[in-house]
Amino acid sequence: DTEVTQTPKHLVMGMTNKKSLKCEQHMGHRAMYWYKQKAKKPPELMFVYSYEKLSINESVPSRFSPECPNSSLLNLHLHALQPEDSALYLCASSHPLSGETQYFGPGTRLLVL
Amino acid sequence: GENVEQHPSTLSVQEGDSAVIKCTYSDSASNYFPWYKQELGKGPQLIIDIRSNVGEKKDQRIAVTLNKTAKHFSLHITETQPEDSAVYFCVQGGNKLVFGAGTILRVKS
Repeated sequence: DTEVTQTPKHLVMGMTNKKSLKCEQHMGHRAMYWYKQKAKKPPELMFVYSYEKLSINESVPSRFSPECPNSSLLNLHLHALQPEDSALYLCASSHPLSGETQYFGPGTRLLVL
Repeated sequence: GENVEQHPSTLSVQEGDSAVIKCTYSDSASNYFPWYKQELGKGPQLIIDIRSNVGEKKDQRIAVTLNKTAKHFSLHITETQPEDSAVYFCVQGGNKLVFGAGTILRVKS
């Protein structure tokens, strides 16, 4: 099973709202990732968790707050977003070694009004 | 910094024809090169990958070639079908994935 699940599939939020995106995998992977993808562009890395600890933060604004409560779950908490944050947010997972295959979820389509 | 150049940006082929997408990478130390297919409204899906200890890998209608000396790798799809229509990304693997800009493949029936 190479499935990564994400909820919700779609999310519309105002600039003052607080919401969370959720990601789950049961492949035993100990590395999990958040990516942001704008239309007609490749995914851009936001955060990497390795063994439930944040290992990479690609200078993402603090209005995005990641959390890894256990080895299967990854959350992205959203607060005070801007319209330019509207995008497809993708979660991925892999074994934590360099050069290991990353498996992506279907994404959450976020619209900030 | 590290980058991957991908060509062409769009590719239209007739059903049954072959499609070729080419990429050039910058990090000579990289040894893992996956290809992802992304259909509309979905996440990227791994379709094939190659490691630097081989020069070619094939899986049914899909093949990938790697030239480490020239730092080139290519995706070949034979006997294309309408369901092959999607965006394809070449990737330089490593601690962080470095994506090419993507190729929009359209297969006309």
